[in-house]
Amino acid sequence: GAGVSQSPSNKVTEKGKDVELRCDPISGHTALYWYRQRLGQGLEFLIYFQGNSAPDKSGLPSDRFSAERTGESVSTLTIQRTQQEDSAVYLCASSPRTAYNEQFFGPGTRLTVL
Amino acid sequence: SQQGEEDPQALSIQEGENATMNCSYKTSINNLQWYRQNSGRGLVHLILIRSNEREKHSGRLRVTLDTSKKSSSLLITASRAADTASYFCATDSNDYKLSFGAGTTVTVRA
Repeated sequence: GAGVSQSPSNKVTEKGKDVELRCDPISGHTALYWYRQRLGQGLEFLIYFQGNSAPDKSGLPSDRFSAERTGESVSTLTIQRTQQEDSAVYLCASSPRTAYNEQFFGPGTRLTVL
Repeated sequence: SQQGEEDPQALSIQEGENATMNCSYKTSINNLQWYRQNSGRGLVHLILIRSNEREKHSGRLRVTLDTSKKSSSLLITASRAADTASYFCATDSNDYKLSFGAGTTVTVRA
């Protein structure tokens, strides 16, 4: 069985452009999480999906960030009008139910905003 | 804000030695997890210890949890070069959100 996959693995963009980051969770995992990790730091929680709904969007840094999930599978994190401070690795994780279980992480997307 | 804080920030040891790192947290938890990250990419789950457990083993890993001190430790015995990585503790204060610390970077010298 495949693990969590993310695409692209690397993305370089210019300040002001929009970017879309994709996450394919493990099949059957109802919970999906997005995190941001700046260089040398820990993970910042961004958003959590249970099925297709997002009960907690409190970690999204600004209204330039949005995420959706369709069909209880693929999720897309969109960053509009990117800024240099958005440069980071964006990690996606899924788990069978909740955080009481381990989370399975994808390899991440390294975003660089010039 | 980060719930867990790892200590030390960095650790360098000789192959074969043991590596110990600690994690402190602020609020009550249901369980605590340790993850490993190689080369700044995806994290790999190592071990989960529940709040009513005090010690847990998995291969060369030993985790302790002291809820009265709000702290946990991760011990890697007989370290290998492949153990070189960053190690993170993660705590949950509700049923879905994990809070990660800044991590301990471990370097195992051959």
